[in-house]
Amino acid sequence: AQTVTQSQPEMSVQEAETVTLSCTYDTSESNYYLFWYKQPPSRQMILVIRQEAYKQQNATENRFSVNFQKAAKSFSLKISDSQLGDTAMYFCACLNAGNNRKLIWGLGTSLAVNP
Amino acid sequence: ETGVTQSPTHLIKTRGQQVTLRCSSQSGHNTVSWYQQALGQGPQFIFQYYREEENGRGNFPPRFSGLQFPNYSSELNVNALELDDSALYLCASSQSSGTGDEQFFGPGTRLTVL
Repeated sequence: AQTVTQSQPEMSVQEAETVTLSCTYDTSESNYYLFWYKQPPSRQMILVIRQEAYKQQNATENRFSVNFQKAAKSFSLKISDSQLGDTAMYFCACLNAGNNRKLIWGLGTSLAVNP
Repeated sequence: ETGVTQSPTHLIKTRGQQVTLRCSSQSGHNTVSWYQQALGQGPQFIFQYYREEENGRGNFPPRFSGLQFPNYSSELNVNALELDDSALYLCASSQSSGTGDEQFFGPGTRLTVL
């Protein structure tokens, strides 16, 4: 069965510092996609970053970057120069590229950015 | 460009009742996915609709059903409500059923079953 594990229920970071959120996953598929989503207190889910499993290069989006270790099935999110607006729940998710189109989510990490 | 909208925002029902939740997809999107997010949990995939047909389903009983209309808006129906159905229900739309396409989420409907 496909699973996504986020082992850090809560984290905090000082404004302007860097923080890394961990995610491990398990899938039997060879082709899949990985995502980090952000859910601020207002609750609307927003895509932060996406990684195609067949691409070796780590995805980056401005202050957000991932460390994708395919062999270890690890997909961590690094947030640089943290801002107060980064305070949110962060979810890691995995989507197989086959016919089974379930997006499987982790339990989330609550990130607090402190001034 | 209008984003994904959901109605109602909040809903209170009693056990055994039926409920219909609605979702309007973002302009140009033909795929809608529904998720259940219990308090303190990650979202759970319920099902996906692509061009008015179900295109994948999660581990939810048949009393969870859906529809997608020609304008690609969608409904989620839940019959015989149970206490454990209390959750935030999220709708997400995307441009195609392509697996890597970004899903755009609505604000959700908070359902409370008493």
